[in-house]
Amino acid sequence: EAGVTQFPSHSVIEKGQTVTLRCDPISGHDNLYWYRRVMGKEIKFLLHFVKESKQDESGMPNNRFLAERTGGTYSTLKVQPAELEDSGVYFCASSLGQLQQYFGPGTRLTVT
Amino acid sequence: AQSVTQLGSHVSVSEGALVLLRCNYSSSVPPYLFWYVQYPNQGLQLLLKYTSAATLVKGINGFEAEFKKSETSFHLTKPSAHMSDAAEYFCAVSEMNTGFQKLVFGTGTRLLVSP
Repeated sequence: EAGVTQFPSHSVIEKGQTVTLRCDPISGHDNLYWYRRVMGKEIKFLLHFVKESKQDESGMPNNRFLAERTGGTYSTLKVQPAELEDSGVYFCASSLGQLQQYFGPGTRLTVT
Repeated sequence: AQSVTQLGSHVSVSEGALVLLRCNYSSSVPPYLFWYVQYPNQGLQLLLKYTSAATLVKGINGFEAEFKKSETSFHLTKPSAHMSDAAEYFCAVSEMNTGFQKLVFGTGTRLLVSP
């Protein structure tokens, strides 16, 4: 069974540019989550989809971040325009039920 | 609000020695607790979870953790470290009021294992 995949693995962009991160969850997992880890700090929850609906987006930092999950399959997280403080590792996870979230390898975003 | 504290950003042990990684949590309701491990260039992998059943939880790779409500702790242990255990370990908590869907993580502890 394929795990959670994320693309790209690394992205380096300049401040003010736009970046789109993609996450493909495990097939059949209705729940999809985005988390972010800023260097040296804890991994923080961004938002949670159930199928294509946003269940909880309480962790989204500001309106420069837009997450979508069209059709309830893969998800994208767009940052527009990117700022220096957006640098970090963005993790995606998916789950079938409540208890176990399966994480992808993350996308390392560097904003210069 | 939930929070997790992991004491020690780095822990060094010798191969064969006891591994003890500390985690304390804060939660207003009975929590679920998790330990995840991240090996280089990989995603987080679930080691074990506590979901209000047995307080001593056994996980993969010989790790176990004990839920102590009186101490609000969920420390991770392994009797004998192996070189392959070198990784970063994260403790996390979730609560019923978020449907146990939102994980709150600690800052992580990097385990270094020397020969």
